[in-house]
Amino acid sequence: DAGITQSPRHKVTETGTPVTLRCHQTENHRYMYWYRQDPGHGLRLIHYSYGVKDTDKGEVSDGYSVSRSKTEDFLLTLESATSSQTSVYFCAISTGQGFNQPQHFGDGTRLSIL
Amino acid sequence: GENVEQHPSTLSVQEGDSAVIKCTYSDSASNYFPWYKQELGKGPQLIIDIRSNVGEKKDQRIAVTLNKTAKHFSLHITETQPEDSAVYFCAASSGNTPLVFGKGTRLSVIA
Repeated sequence: DAGITQSPRHKVTETGTPVTLRCHQTENHRYMYWYRQDPGHGLRLIHYSYGVKDTDKGEVSDGYSVSRSKTEDFLLTLESATSSQTSVYFCAISTGQGFNQPQHFGDGTRLSIL
Repeated sequence: GENVEQHPSTLSVQEGDSAVIKCTYSDSASNYFPWYKQELGKGPQLIIDIRSNVGEKKDQRIAVTLNKTAKHFSLHITETQPEDSAVYFCAASSGNTPLVFGKGTRLSVIA
């Protein structure tokens, strides 16, 4: 167990509303990631962080922002949710330094935007 | 950037038979290749990984092989059991960029 908690686990909201998902880790790992998972697309990287206040964009970052003000928390925000952002969102952490290290995932947040 | 292709997208095997899932990658600098298993309603779980300095790695009924020349790697599951039924993902990274995942293989083990 890599000590990753995602909240909320489920959320239903309306188009145009802001949404923030939280990823919390208990083991002080430097690298954290946000992915979305959609049928036929596998896991696609949204944003990642390599330290406090150090973040960068992934493959599908449009419409998303992130913040990491402390090591243990990585927040994903949809500023104005759209139906195309309905998905399952996973947070992950790397247990070593660098990208070529094992990643461990939370159990996901199922987000529905109506 | 890196591109990872995974085949097949679905695979059905009889219990006790072997299952093989194959991935190809495009970036010759990639040096880390993990495999993940995802059960319904759960996050992906790392089951085995291999680095480019070895050609094969085994862990009980699971093995991974890597062919750097051809830029492909494979997951082998022997003596399959119903609990092996899940979606499996491969991934690759060079260390300079984040992991890139394949689109997944849904494995069904028929009792």
